[in-house]
Amino acid sequence: KAGVTQTPRYLIKTRGQQVTLSCSPISGHRSVSWYQQTPGQGLQFLFEYFSETQRNKGNFPGRFSGRQFSNSRSEMNVSTLELGDSALYLCASSRGLAGESVEQYFGPGTRLTVT
Amino acid sequence: DQQVKQNSPSLSVQEGRISILNCDYTNSMFDYFLWYKKYPAEGPTFLISISSIKDKNEDGRFTVFLNKSAKHLSLHIVPSQPGDSAVYFCAASPPNAGNNRKLIWGLGTSLAVNP
Repeated sequence: KAGVTQTPRYLIKTRGQQVTLSCSPISGHRSVSWYQQTPGQGLQFLFEYFSETQRNKGNFPGRFSGRQFSNSRSEMNVSTLELGDSALYLCASSRGLAGESVEQYFGPGTRLTVT
Repeated sequence: DQQVKQNSPSLSVQEGRISILNCDYTNSMFDYFLWYKKYPAEGPTFLISISSIKDKNEDGRFTVFLNKSAKHLSLHIVPSQPGDSAVYFCAASPPNAGNNRKLIWGLGTSLAVNP
Protein backbone atom coordinates (compact mmCIF):
# COMPACT_ATOMS: atom_id res chain seq x y z
CA LYS A 1 0.00 0.00 0.00
CA ALA A 2 1.48 3.38 -0.98
CA GLY A 3 2.28 5.72 1.88
CA VAL A 4 1.46 9.36 2.34
CA THR A 5 3.03 11.49 -0.36
CA GLN A 6 3.76 15.18 -0.23
CA THR A 7 4.78 17.50 -3.02
CA PRO A 8 6.99 19.31 -3.46
CA ARG A 9 9.67 18.01 -1.10
CA TYR A 10 11.61 21.26 -1.08
CA LEU A 11 10.56 24.80 -1.82
CA ILE A 12 12.22 28.19 -1.68
CA LYS A 13 10.04 31.30 -1.70
CA THR A 14 10.53 34.97 -0.95
CA ARG A 15 8.69 37.05 1.60
CA GLY A 16 5.26 38.18 0.50
CA GLN A 17 4.72 35.30 -1.90
CA GLN A 18 2.18 32.58 -1.43
CA VAL A 19 2.68 28.83 -1.55
CA THR A 20 0.53 25.73 -1.99
CA LEU A 21 1.58 22.35 -0.64
CA SER A 22 -0.04 19.10 -1.60
CA CYS A 23 -0.68 15.88 0.29
CA SER A 24 -2.04 12.55 -0.93
CA PRO A 25 -3.16 10.31 1.94
CA ILE A 26 -3.03 6.55 2.10
CA SER A 27 -5.82 4.99 0.08
CA GLY A 28 -8.91 4.61 2.23
CA HIS A 29 -7.87 7.23 4.77
CA ARG A 30 -10.35 10.06 5.10
CA SER A 31 -8.53 12.31 7.54
CA VAL A 32 -5.62 14.55 6.65
CA SER A 33 -3.85 16.65 9.28
CA TRP A 34 -1.21 19.28 8.68
CA TYR A 35 1.63 20.13 11.05
CA GLN A 36 4.42 22.67 11.10
CA GLN A 37 7.71 21.55 12.57
CA THR A 38 10.42 23.98 13.59
CA PRO A 39 13.48 23.20 15.73
CA GLY A 40 12.30 25.14 18.75
CA GLN A 41 8.57 24.44 18.58
CA GLY A 42 8.25 20.79 17.78
CA LEU A 43 5.13 19.65 15.96
CA GLN A 44 2.54 22.40 15.83
CA PHE A 45 -0.90 21.36 14.67
CA LEU A 46 -2.30 23.44 11.84
CA PHE A 47 -5.62 21.85 10.91
CA GLU A 48 -7.36 18.59 10.17
CA TYR A 49 -9.71 17.76 7.34
CA PHE A 50 -12.12 14.89 7.25
CA SER A 51 -14.49 14.21 4.38
CA GLU A 52 -13.72 17.60 2.83
CA THR A 53 -14.59 19.49 6.02
CA GLN A 54 -12.19 21.19 8.39
CA ARG A 55 -12.75 19.47 11.74
CA ASN A 56 -10.00 20.91 13.90
CA LYS A 57 -7.84 23.97 13.74
CA GLY A 58 -4.68 25.00 15.56
CA ASN A 59 -3.56 28.46 16.61
CA PHE A 60 -2.20 29.78 13.34
CA PRO A 61 -3.11 33.04 11.60
CA GLY A 62 -5.59 33.18 8.75
CA ARG A 63 -2.71 33.26 6.25
CA PHE A 64 -2.65 29.49 6.70
CA SER A 65 -5.54 27.73 5.01
CA GLY A 66 -6.32 24.36 3.56
CA ARG A 67 -8.84 22.26 1.78
CA GLN A 68 -9.61 18.66 1.06
CA PHE A 69 -10.94 17.20 -2.13
CA SER A 70 -13.44 14.41 -2.65
CA ASN A 71 -10.60 11.91 -3.18
CA SER A 72 -9.21 12.93 0.26
CA ARG A 73 -6.19 14.67 -1.23
CA SER A 74 -5.46 17.88 0.61
CA GLU A 75 -3.74 21.15 -0.09
CA MET A 76 -2.38 23.71 2.30
CA ASN A 77 -1.89 27.32 1.32
CA VAL A 78 0.16 30.00 3.02
CA SER A 79 -0.28 33.54 1.77
CA THR A 80 1.97 36.56 2.33
CA LEU A 81 4.89 34.44 3.43
CA GLU A 82 7.04 35.58 6.33
CA LEU A 83 10.57 34.52 7.25
CA GLY A 84 9.18 32.72 10.29
CA ASP A 85 7.15 30.42 8.05
CA SER A 86 10.33 28.57 7.13
CA ALA A 87 9.74 25.07 8.46
CA LEU A 88 9.08 21.47 7.65
CA TYR A 89 5.39 21.01 6.85
CA LEU A 90 4.13 17.53 7.57
CA CYS A 91 0.96 15.91 6.43
CA ALA A 92 -0.53 12.90 8.21
CA SER A 93 -3.44 10.68 7.27
CA SER A 94 -5.60 8.34 9.29
CA ARG A 95 -8.76 6.34 8.76
CA GLY A 96 -10.77 8.37 11.20
CA LEU A 97 -10.28 11.60 13.05
CA ALA A 98 -6.73 11.89 14.40
CA GLY A 99 -7.70 11.87 18.04
CA GLU A 100 -9.83 8.78 17.64
CA SER A 101 -7.67 6.64 15.41
CA VAL A 102 -4.92 4.41 16.69
CA GLU A 103 -2.27 6.17 14.68
CA GLN A 104 -1.51 8.66 12.01
CA TYR A 105 0.73 7.99 9.06
CA PHE A 106 3.03 10.80 8.15
CA GLY A 107 4.43 11.86 4.83
CA PRO A 108 8.09 12.87 4.41
CA GLY A 109 7.23 16.56 4.64
CA THR A 110 7.82 19.65 2.52
CA ARG A 111 10.79 21.75 3.54
CA LEU A 112 9.82 25.39 2.96
CA THR A 113 12.47 28.08 3.08
CA VAL A 114 11.40 31.71 2.97
CA THR A 115 14.10 34.24 2.08
CA ASP B 1 1.30 26.60 27.46
CA GLN B 2 2.47 23.09 26.69
CA GLN B 3 -0.08 20.48 27.75
CA VAL B 4 2.32 17.68 26.83
CA LYS B 5 5.88 18.21 28.00
CA GLN B 6 9.04 16.36 27.14
CA ASN B 7 11.46 18.10 29.44
CA SER B 8 14.61 16.49 28.11
CA PRO B 9 15.46 17.83 24.65
CA SER B 10 18.16 15.23 24.22
CA LEU B 11 19.39 11.94 25.66
CA SER B 12 22.55 9.96 25.02
CA VAL B 13 22.77 6.24 25.80
CA GLN B 14 25.29 3.47 25.23
CA GLU B 15 24.34 0.66 22.89
CA GLY B 16 22.84 -2.28 24.77
CA ARG B 17 21.71 -0.16 27.71
CA ILE B 18 18.19 1.01 28.51
CA SER B 19 16.85 4.27 27.09
CA ILE B 20 14.13 5.98 29.11
CA LEU B 21 12.24 8.85 27.52
CA ASN B 22 9.84 10.80 29.68
CA CYS B 23 6.65 12.69 29.01
CA ASP B 24 4.43 14.70 31.37
CA TYR B 25 0.96 16.00 30.72
CA THR B 26 -1.22 18.51 32.46
CA ASN B 27 -4.75 17.40 31.60
CA SER B 28 -5.95 14.45 33.65
CA MET B 29 -8.71 13.90 31.10
CA PHE B 30 -6.28 12.71 28.41
CA ASP B 31 -7.16 9.10 27.79
CA TYR B 32 -4.87 7.88 25.03
CA PHE B 33 -1.17 8.34 24.54
CA LEU B 34 1.12 7.62 21.62
CA TRP B 35 4.84 7.64 20.92
CA TYR B 36 6.23 8.46 17.49
CA LYS B 37 9.78 8.22 16.21
CA LYS B 38 11.22 10.59 13.64
CA TYR B 39 14.37 10.25 11.59
CA PRO B 40 15.87 13.29 9.82
CA ALA B 41 14.24 14.07 6.47
CA GLU B 42 11.36 11.69 7.19
CA GLY B 43 7.93 12.08 8.73
CA PRO B 44 7.25 10.64 12.21
CA THR B 45 6.30 6.97 12.39
CA PHE B 46 4.04 5.44 14.99
CA LEU B 47 5.85 3.41 17.62
CA ILE B 48 3.57 2.38 20.45
CA SER B 49 0.46 3.58 22.26
CA ILE B 50 -1.30 3.11 25.56
CA SER B 51 -4.84 3.65 26.75
CA SER B 52 -5.51 5.26 30.11
CA ILE B 53 -7.15 2.04 31.31
CA LYS B 54 -3.74 0.38 31.26
CA ASP B 55 -0.49 1.19 33.01
CA LYS B 56 1.83 -0.72 30.71
CA ASN B 57 2.05 -1.75 27.08
CA GLU B 58 4.88 -3.73 25.59
CA ASP B 59 5.95 -4.32 22.00
CA GLY B 60 9.27 -6.06 21.54
CA ARG B 61 12.05 -3.84 22.82
CA PHE B 62 9.64 -0.99 23.48
CA THR B 63 7.55 -0.61 26.61
CA VAL B 64 5.41 2.36 27.58
CA PHE B 65 4.47 2.93 31.22
CA LEU B 66 1.65 5.21 32.30
CA ASN B 67 1.34 6.71 35.77
CA LYS B 68 -2.01 8.47 35.80
CA SER B 69 -1.72 9.86 39.31
CA ALA B 70 1.54 11.57 38.38
CA LYS B 71 0.31 12.42 34.87
CA HIS B 72 3.50 10.90 33.55
CA LEU B 73 4.41 8.36 30.94
CA SER B 74 7.70 6.93 29.87
CA LEU B 75 9.04 4.95 26.95
CA HIS B 76 11.64 2.30 27.69
CA ILE B 77 13.84 0.88 24.95
CA VAL B 78 15.75 -2.24 25.95
CA PRO B 79 18.31 -2.95 24.67
CA SER B 80 19.05 0.29 22.85
CA GLN B 81 20.48 0.03 19.35
CA PRO B 82 22.24 2.64 17.20
CA GLY B 83 19.29 2.49 14.79
CA ASP B 84 17.08 3.81 17.59
CA SER B 85 18.81 7.18 17.31
CA ALA B 86 15.99 9.53 16.36
CA VAL B 87 13.67 12.18 17.77
CA TYR B 88 10.86 10.70 19.87
CA PHE B 89 7.56 12.52 20.20
CA CYS B 90 4.94 11.91 22.83
CA ALA B 91 1.34 12.73 21.92
CA ALA B 92 -1.87 12.70 23.95
CA SER B 93 -5.48 12.48 22.95
CA PRO B 94 -8.11 14.32 24.97
CA PRO B 95 -11.53 12.77 25.49
CA ASN B 96 -14.03 13.10 22.73
CA ALA B 97 -15.43 16.62 22.57
CA GLY B 98 -17.73 16.26 19.64
CA ASN B 99 -15.67 16.63 16.52
CA ASN B 100 -12.92 18.58 18.23
CA ARG B 101 -10.77 15.73 19.44
CA LYS B 102 -7.17 16.17 18.30
CA LEU B 103 -3.72 15.04 19.27
CA ILE B 104 -1.58 17.24 21.52
CA TRP B 105 2.14 16.83 20.84
CA GLY B 106 5.26 17.24 22.93
CA LEU B 107 8.35 18.99 21.56
CA GLY B 108 10.32 15.77 21.21
CA THR B 109 13.44 14.22 22.72
CA SER B 110 16.45 13.53 20.53
CA LEU B 111 17.92 10.14 21.42
CA ALA B 112 21.48 9.25 20.46
CA VAL B 113 22.55 5.63 20.95
CA ASN B 114 26.30 5.35 20.85
CA PRO B 115 27.99 2.17 19.61
